[in-house]
Amino acid sequence: QQQVKQSPQSLIVQKGGISIINCAYENTAFDYFPWYQQFPGKGPALLIAIRPDVSEKKEGRFTISFNKSAKQFSLHIMDSQPGDSATYFCAAGWSKLVFGAGTILRVKS
Amino acid sequence: EAGVAQSPRYKIIEKRQSVAFWCNPISGHATLYWYQQILGQGPKLLIQFQNNGVVDDSQLPKDRFSAERLKGVDSTLKIQPAKLEDSAVYLCASSLDPGQLTGELFFGEGSRLTVL
Repeated sequence: QQQVKQSPQSLIVQKGGISIINCAYENTAFDYFPWYQQFPGKGPALLIAIRPDVSEKKEGRFTISFNKSAKQFSLHIMDSQPGDSATYFCAAGWSKLVFGAGTILRVKS
Repeated sequence: EAGVAQSPRYKIIEKRQSVAFWCNPISGHATLYWYQQILGQGPKLLIQFQNNGVVDDSQLPKDRFSAERLKGVDSTLKIQPAKLEDSAVYLCASSLDPGQLTGELFFGEGSRLTVL
């Protein structure tokens, strides 16, 4: 019940395109769903987060969509840029976070 | 504001040797975490401290791993003896308090361990 399953493992998108990464969780007690971005040689950094009382949250080009009944949430990156190339991790929980396995995003210019 | 500091950044040891990693969290952050990130996987929580007390160490391999947080500030993670499967990046993170609304974790750059 502690797993967070993330897909795809890797993603290649053209500059200006939309990147979509999906996650599914099992534990219905989870009440905080962040996405972290990690560049090579750096630690993960919080990108955007959502709580289950809303179905969508948007910050600039980044949007989280949340489906409580399906226990799924996704990250959408609009107008993807080469600088967005990084590894993205979804997570779920509260202060104790369970992380997905990560998605390596490459945005081709 | 200074971020989470970790050292050393890189360490190469042979199996059965010991190693220690150090972490200095963001000033004022009560909660400190050690995560293990194996290549190609997401971070896995090893231990969580609230001030200088352990909140969760359920996934810490206690036969070889130990951690302490002295005076509720700096923390040290030790591995003795190391195994090949301990090769990973060890990430330290801190947060203001687990009860905070954001729940944001601030990660250091990590300590990369290679066990030969």
